[in-house]
Parts: sequence; structure tokens; C-alpha cells
Amino acid sequence: GENVEQHPSTLSVQEGDSAVIKCTYSDSASNYFPWYKQELGKGPQLIIDIRSNVGEKKDQRIAVTLNKTAKHFSLHITETQPEDSAVYFCAAGNPGASKIIFGSGTRLSIRP
Amino acid sequence: DTGVSQDPRHKITKRGQNVTFRCDPISEHNRLYWYRQTLGQGPEFLTYFQNEAQLEKSRLLSDRFSAERPKGSFSTLEIQRTEQGDSAMYLCASSPTAVPGGTGELFFGEGSRLTVL
Repeated sequence: GENVEQHPSTLSVQEGDSAVIKCTYSDSASNYFPWYKQELGKGPQLIIDIRSNVGEKKDQRIAVTLNKTAKHFSLHITETQPEDSAVYFCAAGNPGASKIIFGSGTRLSIRP
Repeated sequence: DTGVSQDPRHKITKRGQNVTFRCDPISEHNRLYWYRQTLGQGPEFLTYFQNEAQLEKSRLLSDRFSAERPKGSFSTLEIQRTEQGDSAMYLCASSPTAVPGGTGELFFGEGSRLTVL
């Protein structure tokens, strides 16, 4: 069945440095790859997404890259700030299923 | 509109009891999803509605779980004869009409946390 693997499970970076989170997916029909941020006590919130017709997308300090051949995609956060501390989830969706499958999450901590 | 709302936010129950959670989606969204999240894990898909029609259920969803969306607006998720393994956060999300190419952004509520003693 569909599976999304995410690593690392925890990541600690110095404030101002970059953070990278990587995911792989199993369903070759997947064409939609969102990233969600979850803060304590809240539901996940979309921060950026990419569709399979593009290889990279950037929004201010956040960028996502997609390699469909290898079936992996990554989230890059540059110039990290304390408010970036949260749990980040990658996910994959395909038009046939209409559901999104989530990875297991990465807890990102920003050290002052 | 204030987003997706879920009720109750917390529920503590004894094993064997039934519980029901309610979700009110964003009003113009016709897609509604239920996910379950346990500590340290990502949201796990349970079921999905397009308007009032339940279009997909996870194979992981036992027959003790039932979800409804009778008028295509709010939804309820009922768990019968609860077990300790049902303890989790139950997340509801809604999404607008399908975007070109399939799925789109999910708008999540803050979840209903279930503790089964």
C-alpha cells in the first residue's frame, strides 16, 4: 500500500542555520506533495506544497524539491528562527485516492 | 468563518464505553476527512466524505468505528466499545472542491483527544 517515510525523526539546528528534512514515497501515482507544520496542541497546518509537474518551489525561507524518478522530496528551511520549532510532516497524495498519506514527522528544534 | 472546529477537545472514558466526536468543517468545503494521530506519529487516514457520501474507509478502521455526515455539513465519528488502543488524537480536516490534478490543502481542526482508561 501507500507509504511515506520521513527522516530524521528529530533535528536540532542553531538559529540562523538551515534545516533539511527528507521523505520518500512508494506510490508512483502520487502527484501532490504537501508539507505541514504542527505546533503543540494544534492541528497540522500547510506551509508549502508541490505538484509533480515542477521540481522545485520556494516561498521566502522555505523551499521544497521533488525528484519523481527517485520518488523522494525534501523540505529546506533557511535562516532558521525560534518560531520554526515545531513538528513537520511530509505527505503524498494522488488523484485516484483523494486522500493524503503522511510521514511520521520530524521534530525540529532551533537552538538560540 | 473561524475554521474547522471539533468537539469535545478532550474525552476520558472507561474501556467498553461508546464515544462520539463532532466536526464542523469550513462551510464551503465539501470534502471532510477523519485522521487519527498517536504520540510521535503522523496523522493516519481513517475515512473521507465528499458531501454526504462516505467514499473511502481505511482498512485499519474496525467495525467499532462509524462516521456519518448526514447533511453534507458537520460530521460525527463514533467509537463503540472503546479499547485502550483507541487512545489517540482524532483530527478532522476539510478541503474545498477538488483542485485540478486531484488533492489539495487540508484544513485541520485542533483535534479531539481520547483517553481510554
